Amino acid sequence: AQSVTQPDIHITVSEGASLELRCNYSYGATPYLFWYVQSPGQGLQLLLKYFSGDTLVQGIKGFEAEFKRSQSSFNLRKPSVHWSDAAEYFCAVVLNDYKLSFGAGTTVTVRA
Amino acid sequence: DGGITQSPKYLFRKEGQNVTLSCEQNLNHDAMYWYRQDPGQGLRLIYYSQIVNDFQKGDIAEGYSVSREKKESFPLTVTSAQKNPTAFYLCASSPLGEAYGYTFGSGTRLTVV
Repeated sequence: AQSVTQPDIHITVSEGASLELRCNYSYGATPYLFWYVQSPGQGLQLLLKYFSGDTLVQGIKGFEAEFKRSQSSFNLRKPSVHWSDAAEYFCAVVLNDYKLSFGAGTTVTVRA
Repeated sequence: DGGITQSPKYLFRKEGQNVTLSCEQNLNHDAMYWYRQDPGQGLRLIYYSQIVNDFQKGDIAEGYSVSREKKESFPLTVTSAQKNPTAFYLCASSPLGEAYGYTFGSGTRLTVV
């Protein structure tokens, strides 16, 4: 079965510093992968997605993610974090029947 | 603008009462989903529907019911059989196909007292 693991429950980063959120998936073939962001009390917003082709994917809000088949990873990065990036981030993979399976999420705190 | 509307944003109910959460979309999406979110547990799928008048149980369907009488609407009823209903509920929709992500509503926070 496909699944997603986000090893970090909580990350604290200084404003202006770089950010990397880890995501590992388990699947035999090339997966369809997504990153979402959730502000407190809100729904989820799609940041970026990967299907095939270029393994470095650009998203909204200055985020990018890199698909590494050898490591079964799809890590999310941002070169310089802003205070507004404080949120919860979810990695997701498509299951059979088009359903998404979500990781447990990583909460990002940005300190001044 | 197209989107998904969940209402109400906050809902309070007494224990033992059924309550229905509304989800409406005007995106012309075929598939709709209900998720429950609890702190530290990510999103867990309750029910989903890929076509009108048809729906499937997700991972935690016990104590919940849904209907899909119209393409635009996918209401979720939290019944008295749900042992721990206090949670944040998210509705989502998508076109059919693995290449599409979901569009989410802004959620309903249900508190049972």
